[in-house]
Amino acid sequence: DAGITQSPRHKVTETGTPVTLRCHQTENHRYMYWYRQDPGHGLRLIHYSYGVKDTDKGEVSDGYSVSRSKTEDFLLTLESATSSQTSVYFCAISESKDRNTEAFFGQGTRLTVV
Amino acid sequence: AQSVSQHNHHVILSEAASLELGCNYSYGGTVNLFWYVQYPGQHLQLLLKYFSGDPLVKGIKGFEAEFIKSKFSFNLRKPSVQWSDTAEYFCAVRGGYQKVTFGTGTKLQVIP
Repeated sequence: DAGITQSPRHKVTETGTPVTLRCHQTENHRYMYWYRQDPGHGLRLIHYSYGVKDTDKGEVSDGYSVSRSKTEDFLLTLESATSSQTSVYFCAISESKDRNTEAFFGQGTRLTVV
Repeated sequence: AQSVSQHNHHVILSEAASLELGCNYSYGGTVNLFWYVQYPGQHLQLLLKYFSGDPLVKGIKGFEAEFIKSKFSFNLRKPSVQWSDTAEYFCAVRGGYQKVTFGTGTKLQVIP
């Protein structure tokens, strides 16, 4: 397995509180992604990063922010958690498509907002 | 914007039956194409990938997929499924700005 660690693996939080999920990689891959997985929706891209301090929005970015201050870390913050953000969150890493490599996934973080 | 469409949401097969899962994508430029599998409670694992060259690609566990550029399709096939293939299967495309976009997934249930 690629060197990707997500933390925490499970979290229960209350509505309205901020939450930060961490993705740490040891592969020195340039691109990092945050997805959420929900039944019937597959994986939807929240935000992604194409380098240190370079990030862009995905298709479901409202209510989320990200930061990447180092190549190896990509943080996802729920500014004020809502029940609709209860989901499983996956981090992925990738090199550019010119390098002919796939995206590798972390083990996931199960977040429950009560 | 790129997108991926998986036609089958839930497929039920008996062991030894043949499998074909449909995947169509939309993107006008060069793409990389993937099929991932997710076993219950686990993260996504790569089944196979297409970057260039031979449009028929073979992956792990006897799976294969064919890239048909004119149809923007990348269908997954397996001649004979096993109970252990019960899982959810995701088609994905990497296109513009290195974004990786997934389909909504197909749940495969194989009955012994």
